[in-house]
Amino acid sequence: QVQLQESGPGLVKPSQTLSLTCSVSGASIGSGGYYWSWIRQHPGKGLEWIGYIFDSVSSYYNLSLKSRVTISIDTSKNQFSLKLSSVTAADTAVYYCAREPTLWGAVDVWGQGITVIVSS
Amino acid sequence: QSALTQPRSVSGSPGQSVTISCTGTSSDVGGYNYVSWYQQHPDKAPKLIIYDLSKRPSGVPDRFSGSKSGNTASLTISGLQAEDEADYYCCSYAGSYTILFGGGTKLTVL
Repeated sequence: QVQLQESGPGLVKPSQTLSLTCSVSGASIGSGGYYWSWIRQHPGKGLEWIGYIFDSVSSYYNLSLKSRVTISIDTSKNQFSLKLSSVTAADTAVYYCAREPTLWGAVDVWGQGITVIVSS
Repeated sequence: QSALTQPRSVSGSPGQSVTISCTGTSSDVGGYNYVSWYQQHPDKAPKLIIYDLSKRPSGVPDRFSGSKSGNTASLTISGLQAEDEADYYCCSYAGSYTILFGGGTKLTVL
């Protein structure tokens, strides 16, 4: 059974870079065939797709965040990561890592989510 | 691109059917049969209940069904049960490797 687990700081200062890691168990991220995604949920609000990476090299991002986002894969650690630069309070959210078998938006495995607060 | 439009809330009594709408444009919902639906209970991660417009993952009851007409997709839950009370989100492919979510609908089982 594939499981995902987010990790990283729960508090980030404004203007700094938010860095999160998703550890994958039960599957080899390097074997390909899946889109590894980040999705966030602002407090009391809906879901927002951040972006995904496919086959370690092809990454695609929400246009509204594209200038600040980088998603990367570390196959040696079976992990993938999110970096979001120049954060503001508007980036406070629960961040989920996820797996998608296709690029159409059907997430079949979710992490439990990690709360990140942007505050000085 | 704007989020897909969902009603803020819907309600129904046990045993009844409810339908949740998800309105987009011809560039997303109307342009692709790649609409998915998620169920989210409080403080839990979302769960996929419909994908590719009308397909159900293994283990999802056939009480849940999906459809589309024009730029509006719909999720219908028949035979409502207490455990169906949750937030529901639609999601659509919007072309050019872009995904859009709806704002979410709170389902209350009366």
